[in-house]
Amino acid sequence: EVQLVESGGGLIQPGGSLRLSCAASGFTVSNNYMSWVRQAPGKGLEWVSVVYTGGSTYYADSVRGRFTISRDKSKNTLYLQMNSLGAEDTAVYYCARSVDDSRFVFDNWGQGTLVTVFS
Amino acid sequence: DIQMTQSPSSLSASVGDRVTITCQASQDTSYYLNWYQQKPGKAPKLLIYDASNLGTGVPSRFSGSGSGTDFTFTIFSLQPEDIATYYCQQYNNLPLTFGGGTQVEIK
Repeated sequence: EVQLVESGGGLIQPGGSLRLSCAASGFTVSNNYMSWVRQAPGKGLEWVSVVYTGGSTYYADSVRGRFTISRDKSKNTLYLQMNSLGAEDTAVYYCARSVDDSRFVFDNWGQGTLVTVFS
Repeated sequence: DIQMTQSPSSLSASVGDRVTITCQASQDTSYYLNWYQQKPGKAPKLLIYDASNLGTGVPSRFSGSGSGTDFTFTIFSLQPEDIATYYCQQYNNLPLTFGGGTQVEIK
């Protein structure tokens, strides 16, 4: 059974940093596109970043240069390093698995981890 | 970026009613369009992929159609457990973009 479990969220002051983790089981993270998607309180879904099977990455304009997506094959875990956080980054962050290595069809999602940036 | 315009933003319907949600893309997205259901406090769930394909284990009362810029999502017979917000998502181009969501309520 595929499972994604996020952790690492919390309260952080503006300008601070956090690293989110997404522990995967039931499949190998390097065999699928893996993305982060976030949702601000009461708002819709916003795609944040992807790491392709080959290791290439891509970011939304809103986070490029501040966030870094990565994965650890030995731990079968996806990460999101978030720097220079601002109030606009307050959201629930979900990791999402693409169904395969060619389509952005998110067939499995984690439960989400809440990041709150406050001063 | 491809903008996804979903309508309506909310609707209220009776159990057994047919419910239709539309999603319009600002550019051609071919058939690279997915639909998700999100219940309060939960992660989204894939319902329809590639415009018209039913996700694994998804009831057949859910359906999707369309291509290019205009897409439709239908619940043929609304059930109480379908109360949720529904999102479309295109993946023809990066960045991936979602529609603003449609909140479905029971009348």
